[in-house]
Amino acid sequence: GAVVSQHPSWVICKSGTSVKIECRSLDFQATTMFWYRQFPKQSLMLMATSNEGSKATYEQGVEKDKFLINHASLTLSTLTVTSAHPEDSSFYICSAKNIARGPGYEQYFGPGTRLTVT
Amino acid sequence: GQNIDQPTEMTATEGAIVQINCTYQTSGFNGLFWYQQHAGEAPTFLSYNVLDGLEEKGRFSSFLSRSKGYSYLLLKELQMKDSASYLCAFYQTGANNLFFGTGTRLTVIP
Repeated sequence: GAVVSQHPSWVICKSGTSVKIECRSLDFQATTMFWYRQFPKQSLMLMATSNEGSKATYEQGVEKDKFLINHASLTLSTLTVTSAHPEDSSFYICSAKNIARGPGYEQYFGPGTRLTVT
Repeated sequence: GQNIDQPTEMTATEGAIVQINCTYQTSGFNGLFWYQQHAGEAPTFLSYNVLDGLEEKGRFSSFLSRSKGYSYLLLKELQMKDSASYLCAFYQTGANNLFFGTGTRLTVIP
């Protein structure tokens, strides 16, 4: 149990285009999903917290108009990188918390999406 | 504020024991986690400590001292596949997300 999937696992796009990344909890419901970004040899940096049925909460310094987050159901959140630029190239990882487990329990991570913008 | 300190890199020999330390500062605390992350992959859960003491799980053990803001991850009988980054993370009281340290990159050598 507690499997989180991401799609695509890697994507290459041209500068100026938009890319959508999906995050799904496969066998549990997640009212809250998190989007992280990780640059090489650095730790995970939280970008935003995605809440089902409401607007996402963005961390300081993250442009909400550039990184569009939609959490339409208890099992799906999407991150759209709009007008991508080479500096957006990174490893994007989502995670989810199982609402049945309550607060304070571990987050389950997706396998990540490697975005390369050329 | 909140902060986590971990050594950046460590090297250990196959079959040996290694201890990875983590110190943290936070205004409220609600549990400490250790995750393992292989290069290019997502983190995988290793352990969770909410009370003081040692939690043992096979070759991996994790220790917590809340009064000292200190935790360590102990890896025994090291294997080459244990070469990875080890991330220390905690929940602040009332927070919904984990705060991660920068991680310790462990290299296991023959």
